Amino acid sequence: GNSVTQMEGPVTLSEEAFLTINCTYTATGYPSLFWYVQYPGEGLQLLLKATKADDKGSNKGFEATYRKETTSFHLEKGSVQVSDSAVYFCALREKGAQKLVFGQGTRLTINP
Amino acid sequence: DADVTQTPRNRITKTGKRIMLECSQTKGHDRMYWYRQDPGLGLQLIYYSFDVKDINKGEISDGYSVSRQAQAKFSLSLESAIPNQTALYFCATSDDGSQDTQYFGPGTRLTVL
Repeated sequence: GNSVTQMEGPVTLSEEAFLTINCTYTATGYPSLFWYVQYPGEGLQLLLKATKADDKGSNKGFEATYRKETTSFHLEKGSVQVSDSAVYFCALREKGAQKLVFGQGTRLTINP
Repeated sequence: DADVTQTPRNRITKTGKRIMLECSQTKGHDRMYWYRQDPGLGLQLIYYSFDVKDINKGEISDGYSVSRQAQAKFSLSLESAIPNQTALYFCATSDDGSQDTQYFGPGTRLTVL
């Protein structure tokens, strides 16, 4: 079946550090890939997405590139801010499927 | 006003009690979902509904039931709550055209003693 695996958290960084959160997936076809973010006390929000191989999703300084050869969709940001502290979820949706499959989430804390 | 609202936001109950969690949306979306979130496990789909007459089981529907009272309302019930149903519950919506983006409510934290 389809699955998503994220790097273990929590991740703690200093402000302006470079961020990478790893995400790999298992799917039978060519899914769409997503990063959702959950700020404290809130529901999840879509951060970015990519729908085919080599696509790069980007938003709010975050980027992720759909790598079919390594079945990965790692999230990166060049300079994090305290306001980026949240839980980040990688997810996939198979073409034609009706639901999202989420990874376990990675908690990110940015210290000033 | 929030597009997807959930009530209650927090609930503590006892084993064996019946509990209903409610979700309302003003986005006009046909598709609605219920998830539970457990630490370290991400989100798991409980039930989803594509319109008022179309309700489907998700990965972990045992012990839960749902009711789609209207396009805008989707309720989740625990008929007889048990402690391992202690979790954070999220409602979400999406429209037919773009199933990729789901819009989540703020969540309901349920504790079953």
